[in-house]
Amino acid sequence: AQSVTQLGSHVSVSEGALVLLRCNYSSSVPPYLFWYVQYPNQGLQLLLKYTSAATLVKGINGFEAEFKKSETSFHLTKPSAHMSDAAEYFCAGILTGGGNKLTFGTGTQLKVEL
Amino acid sequence: DAGITQSPRYKITETGRQVTLMCHQTWSHSYMFWYRQDLGHGLRLIYYSAAADITDKGEVPDGYVVSRSKTENFPLTLESATRSQTSVYFCASSESGQKEGTQYFGPGTRLTVL
Repeated sequence: AQSVTQLGSHVSVSEGALVLLRCNYSSSVPPYLFWYVQYPNQGLQLLLKYTSAATLVKGINGFEAEFKKSETSFHLTKPSAHMSDAAEYFCAGILTGGGNKLTFGTGTQLKVEL
Repeated sequence: DAGITQSPRYKITETGRQVTLMCHQTWSHSYMFWYRQDLGHGLRLIYYSAAADITDKGEVPDGYVVSRSKTENFPLTLESATRSQTSVYFCASSESGQKEGTQYFGPGTRLTVL
């Protein structure tokens, strides 16, 4: 079955350190891929999306993600973490056989420590 | 204030009761979606609507009913609530289909079924 997998349900980084949140997908053709962020007690907000144009996608708040077809990955990165980045992050994709519906990963909770 | 709103934000009900969760958006977006968010599952699509009077099932539609008589409203009804429907429910809207359009999420409704 087509799926989106996020490795690591919890990630902890120090303020100023690199943020790396992992996402892999399973799809027979290149999918549309998204990263959403959810702050406590709020809805999801789009960070960035890949729609088969440039493989390196820049989003809001200094985040970016690189689509790597050979690795079926779409990892999210930010060079320097800030305390305000603490939130839950969801990778999602429109996958083949998914009926054009968005399939979400299970989420990664990012903790930023001083 | 423009945007997408959900009501109520919190609801406690009993098994067997009917519950309706409301969703209202002010952008005149064509598409609207209902998701549930559960630990370990991420977000799962319950129902979606491409336009007024057009609705379709998502991944987990059983036990839920939707209607869309007006573009701006997309209520979700639990006809006879069960404990397994305890969850956080998110409504979202999009200008176009899931591939092209960014989804905008409401703040969520936390539902507890006793």
